[in-house]
Amino acid sequence: AQTVTQSQPEMSVQEAETVTLSCTYDTSESDYYLFWYKQPPSRQMILVIRQEAYKQQNATENRFSVNFQKAAKSFSLKISDSQLGDAAMYFCGTQGAQKLVFGQGTRLTINP
Amino acid sequence: DAMVIQNPRYQVTQFGKPVTLSCSQTLNHNVMYWYQQKSSQAPKLLFHYYDKDFNNEADTPDNFQSRRPNTSFCFLDIRSPGLGDAAMYLCATSFGGRAYNEQFFGPGTRLTVL
Repeated sequence: AQTVTQSQPEMSVQEAETVTLSCTYDTSESDYYLFWYKQPPSRQMILVIRQEAYKQQNATENRFSVNFQKAAKSFSLKISDSQLGDAAMYFCGTQGAQKLVFGQGTRLTINP
Repeated sequence: DAMVIQNPRYQVTQFGKPVTLSCSQTLNHNVMYWYQQKSSQAPKLLFHYYDKDFNNEADTPDNFQSRRPNTSFCFLDIRSPGLGDAAMYLCATSFGGRAYNEQFFGPGTRLTVL
């Protein structure tokens, strides 16, 4: 079984500042990946960043990076130099052999 | 651009009146998924097709069915919608369906049940 918990229903950050979204997970799978997806208002969900669970090195995609702590089953997302276009729902997810399971989401607001 | 398309974007139906939601893709992906997303909740997987093989989630109500006539198209049929079925329905695709495969999502169909 897989469960994903996002403890921050809402977050806000000033434009150009840095924000960190939290995620913890639990899985019985030995081979799994972790994802952050972004769902802007009225637009489709898109992949932000992906982490292979067997890799210790944290994934980075431009302004987006993760802090992956496998022992703690923690997978937080850091957004640097926040931009207005980053405003969205962010979903953390874990995917094993069976399916992708999402957390409840964090609504991120960017203040100009 | 290759994409996942859902029609209609908004659907209104009456309680108990069957409704069909449509998804098409130009990505030529072999796996197609249907998710239900209720307000302020995480998307929940209903079922998926791996090629022609249908995989139903254990807790998906019998009221929900799906068809995949070809690689490009997949349909979600709700036989007798109830008020609790009002939600956003998301279609997604992936190539391979393995743990590392990114899923590509459509914009969703928002279903209202009157």
